[in-house]
Amino acid sequence: DAGVIQSPRHEVTEMGQEVTLRCKPISGHNSLFWYRQTMMRGLELLIYFNNNVPIDDSGMPEDRFSAKMPNASFSTLKIQPSEPRDSAVYFCASEGTNYGYTFGSGTRLTVV
Amino acid sequence: AQSVAQPEDQVNVAEGNPLTVKCTYSVSGNPYLFWYVQYPNRGLQFLLKYITGDNLVKGSYGFEAEFNKSQTSFHLKKPSALVSDSALYFCAVRERGGTDKLIFGTGTRLQVFP
Repeated sequence: DAGVIQSPRHEVTEMGQEVTLRCKPISGHNSLFWYRQTMMRGLELLIYFNNNVPIDDSGMPEDRFSAKMPNASFSTLKIQPSEPRDSAVYFCASEGTNYGYTFGSGTRLTVV
Repeated sequence: AQSVAQPEDQVNVAEGNPLTVKCTYSVSGNPYLFWYVQYPNRGLQFLLKYITGDNLVKGSYGFEAEFNKSQTSFHLKKPSALVSDSALYFCAVRERGGTDKLIFGTGTRLQVFP
C-alpha cells in the first residue's frame, strides 16, 4: 500500500500563474479531502468528495480555487490565478470504512 | 456546530516523565474522536481513535487517550515521554451520524527535553 500520493512535493510559482495540485487516494477509499495548513489558520478543510462527488466545498476560499475528482483514483486542486496569500502546505487525505483519515505528505506551495 | 479546543499551544516535558496533551470538544450528538501526530515536513499520522466501547483507548507508540463524556474531553497521555515524541499533535472530532468531515483543533506542540 503506497498510501495517499500527492504531487508535486514542492511548488514555487509567480503570482498570477495557475497551479495544479494532484492527489491519488488509497485504492478502495471512497472519501477524499483537501486541507490547507498555515501557521496563522492551522488546518482548514477546503473540500471533500464522497464516491467522486463533491459533498462540501464551503471551505474553498474563493472562486480562484477549484477541485475535481474525475475518477476514484485521482483528484486535483487548482488555483487560478495564484496569489502570495495562497502560500501554504496543501494536504490530501482519503478514508475508507475504518473512521480514520490517511494523509498524504503534502504539497508546499510558495507563490512569489 | 462541531468544534475542538486544544488549550495549550505548547507542552514541555522531560524525557521519562508522563505527558498529557489536552483536548475538549463540542458536538451536538455523540462524537467520534481522534488524535493525529505531525512530524516536521510530514503529513499527519493517525495515532488513535474513540468510536465506541471502552473509554480508554490505546494507540500507536505507547499513547493512550481517555474519552470523558461528562467533561467533553479526550486528553492524550503517555506514561513515559521520549525525545522522539516531540512533534505537533492534533485532536479531531466528527459527529456520529453526521458528515464525513473531521474538524481539527489548532494543534499542540510537544517538546520533550533530554
